[in-house]
Amino acid sequence: DAGITQSPRYKITETGRQVTLMCHQTWSHSYMFWYRQDLGHGLRLIYYSAAADITDKGEVPDGYVVSRSKTENFPLTLESATRSQTSVYFCASSGRGGQVATDTQYFGPGTRLTVL
Amino acid sequence: DAKTTQPTSMDCAEGRAANLPCNHSTISGNEYVYWYRQIHSQGPQYIIHGLKNNETNEMASLIITEDRKSSTLILPHATLRDTAVYYCIVRVAYGNQFYFGTGTSLTVIP
Repeated sequence: DAGITQSPRYKITETGRQVTLMCHQTWSHSYMFWYRQDLGHGLRLIYYSAAADITDKGEVPDGYVVSRSKTENFPLTLESATRSQTSVYFCASSGRGGQVATDTQYFGPGTRLTVL
Repeated sequence: DAKTTQPTSMDCAEGRAANLPCNHSTISGNEYVYWYRQIHSQGPQYIIHGLKNNETNEMASLIITEDRKSSTLILPHATLRDTAVYYCIVRVAYGNQFYFGTGTSLTVIP
């Protein structure tokens, strides 16, 4: 089915381990985004990508790495996980990103990550 | 930081209209008002957006005041499935970031 999916949906890891969260969309949207959601903070943008091989930092990029070799995939990697990265992570995509204010972002179901 | 102010929580009786207010007093001329909702930690769901004029779609209506400093999202006949956190977002015309804030937790009561 068309849409945006994230995997895994739940992940428990330990401090210092590398973790990769996957995001896949089938709309051929050019823009993709990673957000984290913590209690009391709403959603905060981590990284975004305007197209394959083009990425840029958002509001809270420290400790995260992204790549985008294919339009449909946008993995987020925590190179050395810390407890402060325990959060719910949402991926989103949009057709034209910020170039058109009316362009809507569509969100995936989220990945709940716990770092022990 | 989010440029909107919303009440923390609201209740609404099932079948009645739910009116969710949002203040965005510093909004500029090229900024749009967006509404999303999030049901029980699912991914945020797009509802509606507007610039100056009132808007309506199959989910809701958006009323924007003439000075654009505030808006109201109207769910015309609230159901229990509308219980969610509703986010009012002001989005610049050319920018990739949505500032979600903490939203309004709407509870629809049977």
